[in-house]
Amino acid sequence: GAVVSQHPSWVICKSGTSVKIECRSLDFQATTMFWYRQFPKQSLMLMATSNEGSKATYEQGVEKDKFLINHASLTLSTLTVTSAHPEDSSFYICSARVTQGNNQPQHFGDGTRLSIL
Amino acid sequence: AQKITQTQPGMFVQEKEAVTLDCTYDTSDPSYGLFWYKQPSSGEMIFLIYQGSYDQQNATEGRYSLNFQKARKSANLVISASQLGDSAMYFCAMHTGGFKTIFGAGTRLFVKA
Repeated sequence: GAVVSQHPSWVICKSGTSVKIECRSLDFQATTMFWYRQFPKQSLMLMATSNEGSKATYEQGVEKDKFLINHASLTLSTLTVTSAHPEDSSFYICSARVTQGNNQPQHFGDGTRLSIL
Repeated sequence: AQKITQTQPGMFVQEKEAVTLDCTYDTSDPSYGLFWYKQPSSGEMIFLIYQGSYDQQNATEGRYSLNFQKARKSANLVISASQLGDSAMYFCAMHTGGFKTIFGAGTRLFVKA
């Protein structure tokens, strides 16, 4: 149980393109999902917390207009990288928790490798 | 402030031997959860083991055990009988009363044949 699916797993596109990444909780409802960015050999950096039916909460330094997050249902959150440039190339990974208790682990998608040419 | 510290950027271990990955944490919340995740080179994050702040016994999951020393604020991961497939990045993480989970910098483990 507690499966999170992330799609696509790999994207290569031209500079200026907008890219949408989907994160789905397959067997549970997730009122809150999390979006992380990870640079090579570094830890996960929380970008934003996605809240179903309301605006996402962005971490300091993350551009809201660059990284658009939509959480329209209890099982789907999307991250759109708008007008992507080479510096946006990174590994993006989403996660969700079944409940908010301290004993609940994060369940992660498999991540998306984004390469902007 | 809440913080997770992993001081070992990289570790080597011989196959079939045990290895300990260090993790210290800092929080003023009395209730918290500590987690370890494994990230292979393919990128997915795999949950390994959980320890609650009120748990009296150290958590164990198969070859993984968590050496929880509350007074020292440490939650070290012990992997017994290392296998080649254990080579990966390992992240220690903590969750308290808020929504967020904070992660350490990670330790890369290399298992030698």
